[in-house]
Amino acid sequence: EAGVVQSPRYKIIEKKQPVAFWCNPISGHNTLYWYRQNLGQGPELLIRYENEEAVDDSQLPKDRFSAERLKGVDSTLKIQPAELGDSAVYLCASSLDGGLVYNEQFFGPGTRLTVL
Amino acid sequence: AQSVTQPDIHITVSEGASLELRCNYSYGATPYLFWYVQSPGQGLQLLLKYFSGDTLVQGIKGFEAEFKRSQSSFNLRKPSVHWSDAAEYFCAVVPPSQGAQKLVFGQGTRLTINP
Repeated sequence: EAGVVQSPRYKIIEKKQPVAFWCNPISGHNTLYWYRQNLGQGPELLIRYENEEAVDDSQLPKDRFSAERLKGVDSTLKIQPAELGDSAVYLCASSLDGGLVYNEQFFGPGTRLTVL
Repeated sequence: AQSVTQPDIHITVSEGASLELRCNYSYGATPYLFWYVQSPGQGLQLLLKYFSGDTLVQGIKGFEAEFKRSQSSFNLRKPSVHWSDAAEYFCAVVPPSQGAQKLVFGQGTRLTINP
């Protein structure tokens, strides 16, 4: 069974440029999460989707960040414009029915973003 | 403030030695507790979890963790480490009253193995 797929794995951009990250969850997983992991820190949740609906986006900086999961499968996270402080690893995870704490989250390898 | 703390940023142990990684939480009630491992270039992998019941939890890769309510701790242990255990380890919680999988992670402990 394929795991969570993310692309690109690495991205280097200059500040003020836009950037987008793509995630394809494990087949059949209706819950999708985006996390940001700053250097030397644990991941922090940005947004959680249940199917197409963003059910928790309280930590998403909405002035420059946006996300979509139009068909309830794969998802895109966008930053526009990027700032130096956005340099981090962006992780995607998926689970069966994230409304249940017992369902394990499976993580992708992440996209490492460097903003110059 | 509600939080999860991993007091050790970096630990070095010799191959074959025992290991204990510390995790403390600060919540009014017992949260759901997890340990994850992150190897270079890999995604986070769940090692074990505690929801209720037996306070000694067995996980994958020979790891175990013990929940101690009196100390608000959930420390990860392994009796004999292998070079392949070198990685970053994260303690995580789902805060009490959160029915959903809303993980809050500690800052991580980086484990180095000496040959």
